[in-house]
Amino acid sequence: NAGVMQNPRHLVRRRGQEARLRCSPMKGHSHVYWYRQLPEEGLKFMVYLQKENIIDESGMPKERFSAEFPKEGPSILRIQQVVRGDSAAYFCASSPTSTGDGAFFGQGTRLTVV
Amino acid sequence: GQQVMQIPQYQHVQEGEDFTTYCNSSTTLSNIQWYKQRPGGHPVFLIQLVKSGEVKKQKRLTFQFGEAKKNSSLHITATQTTDVGTYFCAGANQAGTALIFGKGTTLSVSS
Repeated sequence: NAGVMQNPRHLVRRRGQEARLRCSPMKGHSHVYWYRQLPEEGLKFMVYLQKENIIDESGMPKERFSAEFPKEGPSILRIQQVVRGDSAAYFCASSPTSTGDGAFFGQGTRLTVV
Repeated sequence: GQQVMQIPQYQHVQEGEDFTTYCNSSTTLSNIQWYKQRPGGHPVFLIQLVKSGEVKKQKRLTFQFGEAKKNSSLHITATQTTDVGTYFCAGANQAGTALIFGKGTTLSVSS
């Protein structure tokens, strides 16, 4: 059973470009979370999705950021018109239930905006 | 908003010494979870505590959940170099839709 798969592992974008981060949850997990981590900081919740639904996006910036988890395929975190402040590690986690049984994290995507 | 705080932020110990990190929530938690992140790695789920006053052990690691379900601790006995990393506690938000993480305690161990 493969773990949570994220790609790419490293992504470099110029200011103003778009970044697309992909996450395939563990098999059997229908709950997906995206977190952002700055160096020496904790994990900041961004969004919680279930298949085809955004359940909680209270941690997502109102502009430029969007997330989806389509019926088929991976969850996508999309950042439009990236700025230097978007540079961070973005982790996806999945769980079989909502917050109750531990979350399994992917290896993360390290986004660098130059 | 709900906050989860951890202390200390950093801890350096000599191999063989004990280590404890403390976690406090601004609200009562339904459960508390602990994660470990190695340098350059991703968070790995260690354990979940649910009951008031609960104590769980994993080899040299002892986890406690406070009676009021607002605080927790992780204690490592006789640290080893393999214990190096950042330990995070996390609690569910009020809606139960997200885990709120503390900023973590980074442990370094010298041999």
